[in-house]
Amino acid sequence: DQQVKQNSPSLSVQEGRISILNCDYTNSMFDYFLWYKKYPAEGPTFLISISSIKDKNEDGRFTVFLNKSAKHLSLHIVPSQPGDSAVYFCAASGTSGTYKYIFGTGTRLKVLA
Amino acid sequence: GAGVSQSPRYKVAKRGQDVALRCDPISGHVSLFWYQQALGQGPEFLTYFQNEAQLDKSGLPSDRFFAERPEGSVSTLKIQRTQQEDSAVYLCASSSHLGQGYEQYFGPGTRLTVT
Repeated sequence: DQQVKQNSPSLSVQEGRISILNCDYTNSMFDYFLWYKKYPAEGPTFLISISSIKDKNEDGRFTVFLNKSAKHLSLHIVPSQPGDSAVYFCAASGTSGTYKYIFGTGTRLKVLA
Repeated sequence: GAGVSQSPRYKVAKRGQDVALRCDPISGHVSLFWYQQALGQGPEFLTYFQNEAQLDKSGLPSDRFFAERPEGSVSTLKIQRTQQEDSAVYLCASSSHLGQGYEQYFGPGTRLTVT
């Protein structure tokens, strides 16, 4: 049972345009969400997070939106750059007494120059 | 400062062999997490420690998997009698504190191939 889903395995975007990566979750106990970026042969690196008390968090070119009623979050990258080409994972954690992250399957973003 | 390091980076084991994977967290980080990432999938939680205490091992897939962190620093993930389905990248992450809002810093992973 996949509690965190990224339904688009890949996405291609022109340099300078907006990249929108989507993530859905099923567990209403999740209250903290994160996006990680992964380059080949490296571990994931933290990008941005959002708590369930917010619906938006911004950090430079990266913005995460959370729609709790739809159990959906999205990552917007504006403007997209070739260096953003990587696999993006969303992850979630809850308040059930454990601090593990539940990851989605990832979306491979390719930014075309 | 140094990030999370893992060794070996690559390991090939014959089915039935035991393997030990090492994780050196960022110095001073109290929390340490292990994840398993199969090809084309996201990381899947295995277990985590706060200092030397293993607080959650609900993700360990079988009793062939064992993790320890005896002195609250370096951790070892041991897999006994490896099977082909154990082939994956094993990721270690550490965090300065245990709790939401404290970023988990990942190492580069150990790619295990069981033949």
